[in-house]
Amino acid sequence: SYELTQPPSVSVSPGQTARITCSGHDLSEKYAFWYQQKSGQAPVLVIYEDSKRPSGIPARFSGSSSGSVATLTIGGAQVEDEADYYCYSTDSSGDDRVFGGGTKLTVL
Amino acid sequence: EMQLVQSGTEVKKPGESLKISCKASGYTFTNYWIGWVRQMPGKGLEWMGIVYPGDSDTRFGPSFQGHVTISVDKSTSTAYLQWSSLKASDTAMYYCAIQTFYYDSSGVFDIWGQGTLVTVSS
Repeated sequence: SYELTQPPSVSVSPGQTARITCSGHDLSEKYAFWYQQKSGQAPVLVIYEDSKRPSGIPARFSGSSSGSVATLTIGGAQVEDEADYYCYSTDSSGDDRVFGGGTKLTVL
Repeated sequence: EMQLVQSGTEVKKPGESLKISCKASGYTFTNYWIGWVRQMPGKGLEWMGIVYPGDSDTRFGPSFQGHVTISVDKSTSTAYLQWSSLKASDTAMYYCAIQTFYYDSSGVFDIWGQGTLVTVSS
């Protein structure tokens, strides 16, 4: 089955830029989506179609994709951005829909 | 306001059956695909499946096909996730969610329920 690979953890100081990557063989053909999940809460979609922000998501959240790697960037990370982040995509057929393993972002 | 409200915490024994629910409000239920995501304790998100309430067209993640049933009741705007024989490994938080960005079965969920915790233990 299709897999998306993320680093288990990323750590930055407040105000620094955090970058979280997501690697997948078919990301060159399919969009990546990103979710934020804070402790004890349901996930929230923060980026869709590689780089678009849903309404209400702060502008410091951005996304990009190149080849088989998608990247979520949080410019000027804040303590409130501490959370688990998951990428989501499908295989080239669209039939295998998967989340990445998740990345724990620490901001301190 | 579009909202999904899930049924409460369940504690069951191995081998028992279970059906948890997700009641939608604030939109036309048949407009959007609705699906389920599993999160085992301390682990990541797993995409389980999705159903189109209009005609009950259902798609499953490879790991869940044949292990769970996803259904809807249009009359009550409610989606269901069902097990016929639970295992300890089914212990998890289960989220229902809908996708409003796309009209296909992409499974990109943007509105989520609060989650239902299922514990299976003898």
